[in-house]
Order: sequence, then structure tokens, then C-alpha cells
Amino acid sequence: DAGVTQSPTHLIKTRGQQVTLRCSPKSGHDTVSWYQQALGQGPQFIFQYYEEEERQRGNFPDRFSGHQFPNYSSELNVNALLLGDSALYLCASSSTGVMVAFFGQGTRLTVV
Amino acid sequence: AQSVTQLGSHVSVSEGALVLLRCNYSSSVPPYLFWYVQYPNQGLQLLLKYTSAATLVKGINGFEAEFKKSETSFHLTKPSAHMSDAAEYFCAVSENSGGYQKVTFGTGTKLQVIP
Repeated sequence: DAGVTQSPTHLIKTRGQQVTLRCSPKSGHDTVSWYQQALGQGPQFIFQYYEEEERQRGNFPDRFSGHQFPNYSSELNVNALLLGDSALYLCASSSTGVMVAFFGQGTRLTVV
Repeated sequence: AQSVTQLGSHVSVSEGALVLLRCNYSSSVPPYLFWYVQYPNQGLQLLLKYTSAATLVKGINGFEAEFKKSETSFHLTKPSAHMSDAAEYFCAVSENSGGYQKVTFGTGTKLQVIP
């Protein structure tokens, strides 16, 4: 079992650009959540996807959007990047009704 | 609204000493509580979870935590620290929000183990 996999592991982008991060959930999991972890902070919930729909969203602007595919994998898109978007982006997967989430290694995004 | 407070952003212990990392939560409904560990440049690994069964929860790597409803606490302990325990630890609370689970993390506690 490969667990939760995220790609790429590191990324450098320029202000104003757009970025797409990818996540493959753990086998058997149907729910994917995305978190932003700024340096020295705890993870902040961005949104959650289930059955290809966004079903919960945290306090993030519309520049943050996502998608879930029929195979349960997911993408996080961020438009018009700001320096403050620099962070570790974590993907977590879980099964409906199960309280435990498993996390990927994260994607380190640096905006310059 | 749920929230988590971790007391002490940095904790230092000697190798072999007791580890105690504090977590207090606020939740309007019976919560699910978790401790995760994060090693440098890595994701979060689940240490243990409380899901309304036994109040004393045992996790991996010798860690355990006790749910105390009267104190709204879920402190993490380990009898004897090992060098490999040096990492950042996050307490998290999850509750049902509109039929969906919402997870809120604390700000983390960095554990330093001194040889």
C-alpha cells in the first residue's frame, strides 16, 4: 500500500502565477482534504472533496480551488499566487464515516 | 466552534525523562481527538486517537494520552524519551459539522530531546 502520495515534493513559482498540486489517496479511501501549513504553524483546513464535489471549505479565498477525479485522486489549484501562499501543502485521505485521516508527505511551495 | 490549544511551543527533555505535551480542546459536541507527529520536511503521522471508547489511549512508539472531559484535556505522555522522539507534535480535534467531519489542529509543540 503506497499510502497517500503527493506531487511534486517541491515547487518554486513567481508571484501572479498559477500552480496545481496533486494527491493520490490511500487505497480504499474516498475522501480527500487539503491543508496549508505555513512555517511554524499548524495545518489550516482548505477544503474537502468527496464524490468529486467540494463538501467543506475553510477560510480561504476563491483563488484556491480543487477537483476530485473518479479514481478519488485530487488536485489543488491556486491562482494569482501571493508571497503569503508559500507553505507546505498537505493532502489527507480518509474513508467516509472513519474519523482518521492519513497524510501525505506534502508539497513545499515557495512563491518568489 | 471547536478549537485546540497546545501549551508550550517548545519543550525540552533529557533522554530517558518523562515526556508531557499538553493539549486542551474546546468542542460543543463530544469530540474525536488525535495526536500527530511531524518530522522535519515530512507530512503528519498519526500517533493515537480518541474516539469515545477508553479514555486512556495507547499509540505508537510508546506514547499514550488520557482524555479528561472535566478538564477538556488530552495530554500526550511517554515514560522515557528517546532521541528519535525529537519532532513536532500536533494535537487535533474533529467534530461533526453539518454531517461532515471538520478537523482543527493546534499550533504544535516542538520536542527537543537532550542527550
